[in-house]
Amino acid sequence: DIQMTQSPSSMSASLGDRVTITCQASQDIGNNLIWFQQKPGKSPRRMIYYATNLANGVPSRFSGSRSGSDYSLTIISLESEDMADYHCLQYKQYPLTFGSGTKLEIK
Amino acid sequence: QVTLKESGPGMLQPSKTLSLTCSFSGFSLSTSGMVVSWIRQPSGKSLEWLAAIDWDGDKYYNPSLKSRLTVSKDTSNTQVFLKITSVDTADTATYYCAQSGLAAIFAYWGQGTLVTVSS
Repeated sequence: DIQMTQSPSSMSASLGDRVTITCQASQDIGNNLIWFQQKPGKSPRRMIYYATNLANGVPSRFSGSRSGSDYSLTIISLESEDMADYHCLQYKQYPLTFGSGTKLEIK
Repeated sequence: QVTLKESGPGMLQPSKTLSLTCSFSGFSLSTSGMVVSWIRQPSGKSLEWLAAIDWDGDKYYNPSLKSRLTVSKDTSNTQVFLKITSVDTADTATYYCAQSGLAAIFAYWGQGTLVTVSS
C-alpha cells in the first residue's frame, strides 16, 4: 500500500499569512493526488486535483505543487473561511490512501 | 446535477452486519470509467477509504478490512451498497460515498450517514 505522510497535523496562522501543508508519498504516485478541505459537520470538498489543478469554484489563493514525492497545498493569503481540516488522497492505485489530516486554525 | 446520498441504520449492536446504501443521480455507473467509493471517518479522526466498485463491476477493497467488506451495485446502476460484517465499536463513524471516477474524481460526495455501534 502507498503511505501518505501528511504534515503538520495541526497549525495556527494569522489572517493574511502564507500557509503550506505537505503530503509525502511512499511510492511514485505521479500527479494522482487530491487535496480536500473539510469543515466541521460537512463532507470533504475537493480543492486541488491531479496535484496542481484548481477545482471549480475554489479561490485562486489556493494552489497545489509537487517536488518529487512531496506534494504541497499552499494558501497564499489566509482568510478566516479557510479554517478547516485539510486532507490529501492518492488515487494512483488501490487501495486509495489518505493522509492523516491537518487541522488549520486561525490565530 | 450530481447528487449522492447515504442511508444506514443509525445504530446497531456489536457483531451485527452493517448495511449501507448510496443512492445517486446525475450520472450512471454504467458509464465507462465511472467508479463509486465508500469512505468513513470516526469522529475527530481522519478519512479512511473502504471500498469501490466500477462501471464494469470490478470491486476494490481496503486490505485491512477486506474480509469484512462487500461492495455491490444494483442492476439499474443508481445505487451502490456496502456491507460490513461483525461490527464493533471501532466501526462507529460517519460513512460517505463519493463519485471516484473520470475527471470529476472525488468532486461529488454524499452528506454522510452516522453509524454508531453500541450495545
